[in-house]
Amino acid sequence: GDSVTQTEGPVTLSEGTSLTVNCSYETKQYPTLFWYVQYPGEGPQLLFKVPKANEKGSNRGFEATYNKEATSFHLQKASVQESDSAVYYCALSERSNYQLIWGSGTKLIIKP
Amino acid sequence: NSKVIQTPRYLVKGQGQKAKMRCIPEKGHPVVFWYQQNKNNEFKFLINFQNQEVLQQIDMTEKRFSAECPSNSPCSLEIQSSEAGDSALYLCASRSRDKNTGQLYFGEGSKLTVL
Repeated sequence: GDSVTQTEGPVTLSEGTSLTVNCSYETKQYPTLFWYVQYPGEGPQLLFKVPKANEKGSNRGFEATYNKEATSFHLQKASVQESDSAVYYCALSERSNYQLIWGSGTKLIIKP
Repeated sequence: NSKVIQTPRYLVKGQGQKAKMRCIPEKGHPVVFWYQQNKNNEFKFLINFQNQEVLQQIDMTEKRFSAECPSNSPCSLEIQSSEAGDSALYLCASRSRDKNTGQLYFGEGSKLTVL
């Protein structure tokens, strides 16, 4: 079945450094790929989505490219801020139904 | 700001008690999901609806939970007899009917503690 694997956390970085959270997926379909972010005490919220292969999504300085050949969707940010501290989830949607397949989440801790 | 409204934000129950949570999906979204999120931040899919009909549910939900999404009323998820292992954050999410690109919109969750 479909699956999503992402960097195991927690990931601890200093403010101003660069971030990469790896995400790899397995599917026989043509999914839309998502990055969600969850701040403490809140529900997950969409960071961005990319429905088409080889396109890039971005929001708030975060970006990821839907790499169909490598089946990857790595999240990157050039310079993280303390307010980026949260849990980040990679997910894919199955077009055959309404399900989202979730990665296990990566807790990001940014130190000032 | 979340447009999916979940109530209550917190509930505390004793083992064996019923625990009921409600969800108002975003306006115009016919598909509603319930997830259980544990302390390790992992999501467990519980059940989903399209309008009032159940699309999919896991075995645990079928046996121990009662869920519905009546027309013109909030959706609800009720644990018939709470167990310690049910302590978790219960997240409701809604989406459009578009299977190609529709993302999930989440509420802030109902945090259940079973003593």
